[in-house]
Amino acid sequence: AQSVAQPEDQVNVAEGNPLTVKCTYSVSGNPYLFWYVQYPNRGLQFLLKYITGDNLVKGSYGFEAEFNKSQTSFHLKKPSALVSDSALYFCAVRDFTGGGNKLTFGTGTQLKVEL
Amino acid sequence: DSGVTQTPKHLITATGQRVTLRCSPRSGDLSVYWYQQSLDQGLQFLIQYYNGEERAKGNILERFSAQQFPDLHSELNLSSLELGDSALYFCASSPGGAPGTEAFFGQGTRLTVV
Repeated sequence: AQSVAQPEDQVNVAEGNPLTVKCTYSVSGNPYLFWYVQYPNRGLQFLLKYITGDNLVKGSYGFEAEFNKSQTSFHLKKPSALVSDSALYFCAVRDFTGGGNKLTFGTGTQLKVEL
Repeated sequence: DSGVTQTPKHLITATGQRVTLRCSPRSGDLSVYWYQQSLDQGLQFLIQYYNGEERAKGNILERFSAQQFPDLHSELNLSSLELGDSALYFCASSPGGAPGTEAFFGQGTRLTVV
């Protein structure tokens, strides 16, 4: 089965500092990887995805992610964090197990950006 | 606004009851997915429909069922409700079978079983 792991339950960073939210994946075949963000009492919002091509993927709100095949990682990054970036972040992989093409999510990482 | 509409936003019901959650996908999207989000289980995939047919089943209890109608809206039926069924239920949609397309999520239905 396809899976992703988010090793950190919470990440704290000061506003203006770079942030990284980690994700590693385990797939058979080509990985299709996604990042989503969830603000309190809201649904998940799509940030960016990796399908193929450049290892650095740019997405919404200044976020980017680096795909690393040798380390099986897809870390989310932002050069300068904002307090408004504080939210729950999910990494996901397209999972074809069982005949469909669902997204399988990691456990989520709570990002807290402090002044 | 993702274009995916879920109703109701909140639902409070008693144990043993049955409820129906409704989802209208983005215009043109053929795939609908249902997820359950709880504090201890995270985001769990329940079921996927594609153009009216069931495509994949996840950790969906036998007390739960779903369907997708000809107009592509979907309903998730939860019966014999237990306290542990209290959770946020999300619907998501995507255009179809292409693996690289992202799914768009509704705002969810918060179910509280008392």
